[in-house]
Amino acid sequence: KQEVTQIPAALSVPEGENLVLNCSFTDSAIYNLQWFRQDPGKGLTSLLLIQSSQREQTSGRLNASLDKSSGRSTLYIAASQPGDSATYLCAVPSGGYQKVTFGTGTKLQVIP
Amino acid sequence: GAVVSQHPSWVICKSGTSVKIECRSLDFQATTMFWYRQFPKQSLMLMATSNEGSKATYEQGVEKDKFLINHASLTLSTLTVTSAHPEDSSFYICSAREIGGEQFFGPGTRLTVL
Repeated sequence: KQEVTQIPAALSVPEGENLVLNCSFTDSAIYNLQWFRQDPGKGLTSLLLIQSSQREQTSGRLNASLDKSSGRSTLYIAASQPGDSATYLCAVPSGGYQKVTFGTGTKLQVIP
Repeated sequence: GAVVSQHPSWVICKSGTSVKIECRSLDFQATTMFWYRQFPKQSLMLMATSNEGSKATYEQGVEKDKFLINHASLTLSTLTVTSAHPEDSSFYICSAREIGGEQFFGPGTRLTVL
C-alpha cells in the first residue's frame, strides 16, 4: 500500500525567502508525481506534474524534482510571496494508475 | 489543462435529507471518475472509483449504500449522499481522467449538514 508523507507539516517564512517542501513515498513504482496547492476551503490547483522518466519540472518560481529510487520529491519555491500561502499536497498514482494517494500536506505561510 | 466542474460548490442541508453532487468533465471524455473526501485539516481520501457504465468501486470503510455514485455518461458522474448526518459534513472533490491520462480535479463541493 502506497504511503505518502510530507515534511514539514507547517512552515512559516518571511517574504522573499526560498523554501523547499518535501514529499516521500513508500512504493517507488510510480507513473508520475503531482504537486498541488489548496487554498482554504477551495479545491486543488495543479502546480507541476513530473513523469516517472523525468528528474524535474519547472514552472515560474516553482521547481519540482523527483528521485524515484529513494522515494522522494521536493518542491522548491523561489522568492516566496504572501500569495504563495496555502497548503501544498503531493500525490502519486497507485493501484495500476487507478488511484491517487495524497500526502499529508504542508501548510505554508509567507509573512509580508 | 482539461476542466472539471462540480455543482453545487456548496450546499447546506438538514439532517436526514439526501444531497446530490455533480461532476462534469467539460472538454474531454472521462472514462474514469474519482470521488474524494476531505475533513478539516486532513488530506484528501479516496472514497470510490467509477468507470463509465459500470458500478463504482468503493474504498474500505466507505458505505456504498450511503454514498451512491452514478457514472452514466463519459462526461458526468454524480455522488448522492443519502440520509445525510452532521458527520458527513465535509469537502467533496471529484476528479476525472481519460484512458491512460492524468487526473484533473474539480473545484470541490462543501457540504454542511445541520
